[in-house]
Amino acid sequence: QSVLTQPPSVSAAPGEKVSITCSGGSSNIGLHLVCWYQHFPGTAPRLLIYQVHKRPSGIPDRFSASKSGTSATLDITGLQTGDEADYYCGAWDDNLRAYLFGTGTKVTVL
Amino acid sequence: EVQLVESGGGLVQPGGSVRLSCEASGFAFSDYTMNWVRQSPGKGLEWVALISGFDTSTYYADSVRGRFIISKDAAKNSVYLQMNSLRAEDTALYYCVREDRDARDYWGQGIMVTVSS
Repeated sequence: QSVLTQPPSVSAAPGEKVSITCSGGSSNIGLHLVCWYQHFPGTAPRLLIYQVHKRPSGIPDRFSASKSGTSATLDITGLQTGDEADYYCGAWDDNLRAYLFGTGTKVTVL
Repeated sequence: EVQLVESGGGLVQPGGSVRLSCEASGFAFSDYTMNWVRQSPGKGLEWVALISGFDTSTYYADSVRGRFIISKDAAKNSVYLQMNSLRAEDTALYYCVREDRDARDYWGQGIMVTVSS
């Protein structure tokens, strides 16, 4: 059901920056707040970013996000080996009357 | 401390039923919308259903609508997912998730449901 498209994978060396895009449409990202989730296999997913760019307590400012039109972007700066995980965007869709998760992006630290 | 503890999963035959439970603690349960989210083996996260904290209205993913029912019991601080007419593709780890202003902010550890003969 997901119509939020992410790249399957991104990678960079420690200390560098990666950006993950989330492409949606006018009925989801274009209308609603975007969240980002971090998921380490074998553990519960964690809210990383909410209301487009806000961080819950405990999330370092190396993680930042933005939205433009029907797309959103998550940036991770100062990449660390502990950042290796799967990342998902999420937004409500008015047409589907459903919450959508993005297709997911695996971040690899080289 | 917010805690969400799922129970009720296991092995179910195709066409069978199972009821998942999620007991919440550490917050005013009635004030929050609750969700179920699943992850099938090797796949990404898939939102399944939600029940509103305001008016108990419910919403479902197309893949489960008509087969799954989400409900809650405020007196027991619990949310449930009744899963009927189960299919192999419903095999997944099911998470109970609290929602706060569009963000799925607290997640349980998940409960596995395997649909197989």
